[in-house]
Amino acid sequence: GEDVEQSLFLSVREGDSSVINCTYTDSSSTYLYWYKQEPGAGLQLLTYIFSNMDMKQDQRLTVLLNKKDKHLSLRIADTQTGDSAIYFCADSSGYSTLTFGKGTMLLVSP
Amino acid sequence: EAQVTQNPRYLITVTGKKLTVTCSQNMNHEYMSWYRQDPGLGLRQIYYSMNVEVTDKGDVPEGYKVSRKEKRNFPLILESPSPNQTSLYFCASSPGTSGSSYNEQFFGPGTRLTVL
Repeated sequence: GEDVEQSLFLSVREGDSSVINCTYTDSSSTYLYWYKQEPGAGLQLLTYIFSNMDMKQDQRLTVLLNKKDKHLSLRIADTQTGDSAIYFCADSSGYSTLTFGKGTMLLVSP
Repeated sequence: EAQVTQNPRYLITVTGKKLTVTCSQNMNHEYMSWYRQDPGLGLRQIYYSMNVEVTDKGDVPEGYKVSRKEKRNFPLILESPSPNQTSLYFCASSPGTSGSSYNEQFFGPGTRLTVL
């Protein structure tokens, strides 16, 4: 079946850039999503990219998509302590079902 | 306010005692889904529903039941809970049923279940 893989942990200093990587296997994915989960809360959509795009920028967030390698990344510029959370990559693997990665815990230290 | 609500938020129960976790959305969404989240395993889908009276198994359906009698509600039923069902449960909903169109899923706040 479809699979989405992410590294489990990333630690950065405040002010640095963070890059969270994700690989997926479903070549028919049309939309790919990044969700953020803050401690004790549910998941919230952070950003998304359509599969015919290479890049999408939204304020401090940059999403890069390499469709040939099935690689997705999320870059957070000027990372703040409030960005500390778990970040999930997800692809739309048919109908409304999303396949999620296991999540990357981002820890931002002052 | 557009939202997905779950109740209860926290529940401690004992093995074998039937329980129901309710989920309700006020956005007239067609698609609803249940996930469980466990450390190191991420989010795994339990069941989903594409519309009223239409439900299907996700990746980990064993030990769970669902029903979709009304569009807004999608309760999760554990007929005979066991300790391996101790987990954090999320309900989610989204507007459409096509994977080829943008389809944000809206998540509830989660239900932390402990089965002793």
